[in-house]
Amino acid sequence: ELKVEQNPLFLSMQEGKNYTIYCNYSTTSDRLYWYRQDPGKSLESLFVLLSNGAVKQEGRLMASLDTKARLSTLHITAAVHDLSATYFCAVDGTNAGKSTFGDGTTLTVKP
Amino acid sequence: NAGVTQTPKFRVLKTGQSMTLLCAQDMNHEYMYWYRQDPGMGLRLIHYSVGEGTTAKGEVPDGYNVSRLKKQNFLLGLESAAPSQTSVYFCASSLPLLRGTYEQYFGPGTRLTVT
Repeated sequence: ELKVEQNPLFLSMQEGKNYTIYCNYSTTSDRLYWYRQDPGKSLESLFVLLSNGAVKQEGRLMASLDTKARLSTLHITAAVHDLSATYFCAVDGTNAGKSTFGDGTTLTVKP
Repeated sequence: NAGVTQTPKFRVLKTGQSMTLLCAQDMNHEYMYWYRQDPGMGLRLIHYSVGEGTTAKGEVPDGYNVSRLKKQNFLLGLESAAPSQTSVYFCASSLPLLRGTYEQYFGPGTRLTVT
Protein backbone atom coordinates (compact mmCIF):
# COMPACT_ATOMS: atom_id res chain seq x y z
CA GLU A 1 0.00 0.00 0.00
CA LEU A 2 1.33 3.39 -1.02
CA LYS A 3 1.91 5.77 1.88
CA VAL A 4 2.71 9.45 1.50
CA GLU A 5 4.16 11.45 4.37
CA GLN A 6 4.65 15.17 4.48
CA ASN A 7 6.65 17.14 6.97
CA PRO A 8 6.29 19.38 8.65
CA LEU A 9 2.51 19.34 9.01
CA PHE A 10 2.48 22.89 10.30
CA LEU A 11 4.92 25.64 9.44
CA SER A 12 5.00 29.21 10.64
CA MET A 13 7.43 31.45 8.82
CA GLN A 14 8.50 35.04 8.84
CA GLU A 15 8.16 36.95 5.62
CA GLY A 16 11.37 36.95 3.64
CA LYS A 17 12.62 33.62 4.98
CA ASN A 18 13.28 30.42 3.05
CA TYR A 19 11.99 26.97 3.92
CA THR A 20 11.46 23.50 2.48
CA ILE A 21 8.52 21.12 2.76
CA TYR A 22 9.26 17.42 2.32
CA CYS A 23 7.13 14.69 0.78
CA ASN A 24 8.25 11.08 1.21
CA TYR A 25 6.47 8.12 -0.34
CA SER A 26 6.75 4.41 0.21
CA THR A 27 6.70 2.70 -3.19
CA THR A 28 8.18 3.32 -6.61
CA SER A 29 6.53 6.08 -8.60
CA ASP A 30 7.64 8.69 -11.10
CA ARG A 31 4.52 10.86 -11.01
CA LEU A 32 4.07 13.33 -8.21
CA TYR A 33 1.86 16.38 -7.84
CA TRP A 34 1.74 19.40 -5.59
CA TYR A 35 -1.58 21.10 -4.86
CA ARG A 36 -2.45 24.23 -2.94
CA GLN A 37 -5.56 24.77 -0.81
CA ASP A 38 -6.49 28.18 0.56
CA PRO A 39 -8.54 28.21 3.79
CA GLY A 40 -12.14 27.23 3.11
CA LYS A 41 -11.43 26.73 -0.58
CA SER A 42 -10.81 23.90 -2.97
CA LEU A 43 -7.51 22.51 -4.24
CA GLU A 44 -5.65 23.73 -7.27
CA SER A 45 -2.73 22.13 -9.04
CA LEU A 46 0.68 23.73 -8.61
CA PHE A 47 3.20 21.33 -10.10
CA VAL A 48 3.31 18.04 -11.98
CA LEU A 49 6.62 16.17 -11.68
CA LEU A 50 7.03 13.28 -14.08
CA SER A 51 10.56 11.97 -13.84
CA ASN A 52 13.60 11.61 -11.65
CA GLY A 53 15.36 14.95 -11.33
CA ALA A 54 12.36 16.96 -12.51
CA VAL A 55 12.31 20.53 -11.26
CA LYS A 56 9.50 23.02 -11.68
CA GLN A 57 9.40 26.62 -10.54
CA GLU A 58 6.71 29.24 -10.31
CA GLY A 59 7.35 32.48 -8.55
CA ARG A 60 8.71 31.83 -5.07
CA LEU A 61 7.94 28.11 -5.18
CA MET A 62 10.19 25.41 -6.58
CA ALA A 63 9.41 21.69 -6.57
CA SER A 64 11.76 18.81 -7.28
CA LEU A 65 11.53 15.04 -7.47
CA ASP A 66 14.07 12.36 -6.57
CA THR A 67 12.47 9.03 -7.47
CA LYS A 68 15.39 6.99 -6.17
CA ALA A 69 15.05 8.52 -2.72
CA ARG A 70 11.23 8.57 -3.08
CA LEU A 71 11.31 12.20 -2.06
CA SER A 72 9.93 15.46 -3.35
CA THR A 73 10.64 18.88 -1.95
CA LEU A 74 8.73 22.14 -2.20
CA HIS A 75 11.09 25.03 -1.56
CA ILE A 76 9.81 28.44 -0.61
CA THR A 77 12.04 31.42 -1.30
CA ALA A 78 11.58 34.75 0.47
CA ALA A 79 8.10 33.91 1.73
CA VAL A 80 5.27 36.42 1.45
CA HIS A 81 1.90 36.42 3.20
CA ASP A 82 0.08 35.39 0.00
CA LEU A 83 1.76 31.99 0.20
CA SER A 84 -0.16 31.14 3.38
CA ALA A 85 -2.14 27.99 2.50
CA THR A 86 -2.11 24.23 2.89
CA TYR A 87 0.11 22.38 0.45
CA PHE A 88 -0.53 18.76 -0.46
CA CYS A 89 1.66 16.35 -2.33
CA ALA A 90 0.06 13.42 -4.12
CA VAL A 91 1.69 10.37 -5.68
CA ASP A 92 0.40 8.03 -8.37
CA GLY A 93 0.50 4.39 -7.42
CA THR A 94 0.16 1.31 -9.57
CA ASN A 95 -3.61 1.60 -9.98
CA ALA A 96 -4.26 3.75 -12.99
CA GLY A 97 -5.91 7.02 -12.12
CA LYS A 98 -5.46 6.85 -8.36
CA SER A 99 -3.30 9.31 -6.48
CA THR A 100 -2.54 9.02 -2.78
CA PHE A 101 -2.44 12.34 -0.93
CA GLY A 102 -0.27 13.36 1.97
CA ASP A 103 -1.89 14.96 5.01
CA GLY A 104 -0.88 18.44 3.90
CA THR A 105 1.44 21.12 5.26
CA THR A 106 -0.28 24.21 6.60
CA LEU A 107 1.94 27.20 5.98
CA THR A 108 1.44 30.50 7.78
CA VAL A 109 3.60 33.42 6.73
CA LYS A 110 3.77 36.21 9.30
CA PRO A 111 4.85 39.80 8.67
CA ASN B 1 -15.68 26.51 -19.28
CA ALA B 2 -17.19 26.08 -15.85
CA GLY B 3 -14.67 23.35 -15.02
CA VAL B 4 -15.86 21.08 -12.20
CA THR B 5 -19.07 22.05 -10.42
CA GLN B 6 -20.73 20.50 -7.39
CA THR B 7 -24.32 20.63 -6.20
CA PRO B 8 -25.28 21.46 -3.49
CA LYS B 9 -22.67 23.64 -1.78
CA PHE B 10 -24.07 23.09 1.71
CA ARG B 11 -26.45 20.57 3.20
CA VAL B 12 -27.65 19.56 6.65
CA LEU B 13 -29.10 16.07 7.05
CA LYS B 14 -30.60 14.20 9.94
CA THR B 15 -29.23 10.77 10.81
CA GLY B 16 -30.80 8.16 8.57
CA GLN B 17 -31.75 10.51 5.74
CA SER B 18 -30.46 9.98 2.24
CA MET B 19 -29.09 12.37 -0.34
CA THR B 20 -27.19 12.57 -3.60
CA LEU B 21 -24.31 14.88 -4.39
CA LEU B 22 -23.87 15.82 -8.02
CA CYS B 23 -20.57 16.50 -9.71
CA ALA B 24 -20.41 17.77 -13.28
CA GLN B 25 -17.43 18.57 -15.50
CA ASP B 26 -17.34 20.14 -18.94
CA MET B 27 -13.72 19.33 -19.81
CA ASN B 28 -14.42 15.93 -21.39
CA HIS B 29 -12.32 14.25 -18.71
CA GLU B 30 -12.32 10.48 -18.52
CA TYR B 31 -11.56 10.07 -14.82
CA MET B 32 -13.64 11.37 -11.94
CA TYR B 33 -13.21 11.08 -8.18
CA TRP B 34 -15.00 11.68 -4.90
CA TYR B 35 -12.98 12.59 -1.81
CA ARG B 36 -13.84 13.57 1.71
CA GLN B 37 -11.79 15.97 3.79
CA ASP B 38 -12.17 16.08 7.54
CA PRO B 39 -10.90 19.00 9.62
CA GLY B 40 -7.12 19.19 9.69
CA MET B 41 -6.76 16.13 7.54
CA GLY B 42 -5.86 15.30 4.01
CA LEU B 43 -8.06 13.91 1.31
CA ARG B 44 -9.42 10.39 1.45
CA LEU B 45 -10.67 8.77 -1.73
CA ILE B 46 -14.21 7.41 -1.50
CA HIS B 47 -14.89 6.14 -5.01
CA TYR B 48 -13.60 6.89 -8.46
CA SER B 49 -14.43 6.22 -12.09
CA VAL B 50 -12.16 5.67 -15.06
CA GLY B 51 -14.89 6.11 -17.62
CA GLU B 52 -18.59 6.26 -18.31
CA GLY B 53 -20.38 3.30 -16.78
CA THR B 54 -17.46 2.27 -14.55
CA THR B 55 -16.83 2.83 -10.85
CA ALA B 56 -14.31 1.56 -8.31
CA LYS B 57 -13.83 1.72 -4.56
CA GLY B 58 -11.31 3.97 -2.92
CA GLU B 59 -9.99 3.99 0.64
CA VAL B 60 -13.25 4.74 2.47
CA PRO B 61 -16.20 3.47 0.37
CA ASP B 62 -18.45 2.17 3.14
CA GLY B 63 -21.76 4.01 3.45
CA TYR B 64 -21.50 5.56 -0.02
CA ASN B 65 -22.57 4.57 -3.51
CA VAL B 66 -21.75 6.16 -6.83
CA SER B 67 -22.89 6.16 -10.42
CA ARG B 68 -21.39 7.42 -13.67
CA LEU B 69 -24.17 7.09 -16.23
CA LYS B 70 -22.89 10.00 -18.30
CA LYS B 71 -19.26 10.92 -18.89
CA GLN B 72 -19.70 14.42 -17.55
CA ASN B 73 -21.51 13.50 -14.33
CA PHE B 74 -20.49 11.57 -11.23
CA LEU B 75 -23.05 11.09 -8.48
CA LEU B 76 -22.29 10.28 -4.84
CA GLY B 77 -25.11 8.83 -2.76
CA LEU B 78 -25.54 8.45 0.96
CA GLU B 79 -28.30 5.94 1.62
CA SER B 80 -28.54 6.39 5.38
CA ALA B 81 -26.50 9.31 6.64
CA ALA B 82 -24.52 9.02 9.86
CA PRO B 83 -22.82 11.76 11.93
CA SER B 84 -19.45 10.23 10.96
CA GLN B 85 -20.18 11.34 7.40
CA THR B 86 -20.06 14.98 8.38
CA SER B 87 -17.31 16.31 6.17
CA VAL B 88 -16.41 18.40 3.15
CA TYR B 89 -16.78 16.45 -0.05
CA PHE B 90 -14.69 17.26 -3.10
CA CYS B 91 -15.17 16.02 -6.60
CA ALA B 92 -12.29 16.01 -9.05
CA SER B 93 -11.63 14.99 -12.61
CA SER B 94 -8.57 14.22 -14.71
CA LEU B 95 -7.62 13.51 -18.26
CA PRO B 96 -4.55 11.30 -18.65
CA LEU B 97 -2.11 13.16 -20.84
CA LEU B 98 0.32 11.62 -23.27
CA ARG B 99 2.52 10.30 -20.46
CA GLY B 100 -0.36 9.12 -18.36
CA THR B 101 -0.42 11.74 -15.64
CA TYR B 102 -3.51 12.16 -13.56
CA GLU B 103 -3.32 15.81 -12.58
CA GLN B 104 -6.67 16.51 -10.98
CA TYR B 105 -9.04 19.44 -11.26
CA PHE B 106 -11.20 19.96 -8.20
CA GLY B 107 -14.70 21.26 -7.68
CA PRO B 108 -15.53 23.85 -5.01
CA GLY B 109 -16.68 21.30 -2.43
CA THR B 110 -19.89 20.40 -0.63
CA ARG B 111 -20.05 20.95 3.10
CA LEU B 112 -22.27 18.26 4.64
CA THR B 113 -23.39 18.16 8.25
CA VAL B 114 -25.25 15.16 9.65
CA THR B 115 -26.99 15.74 12.97
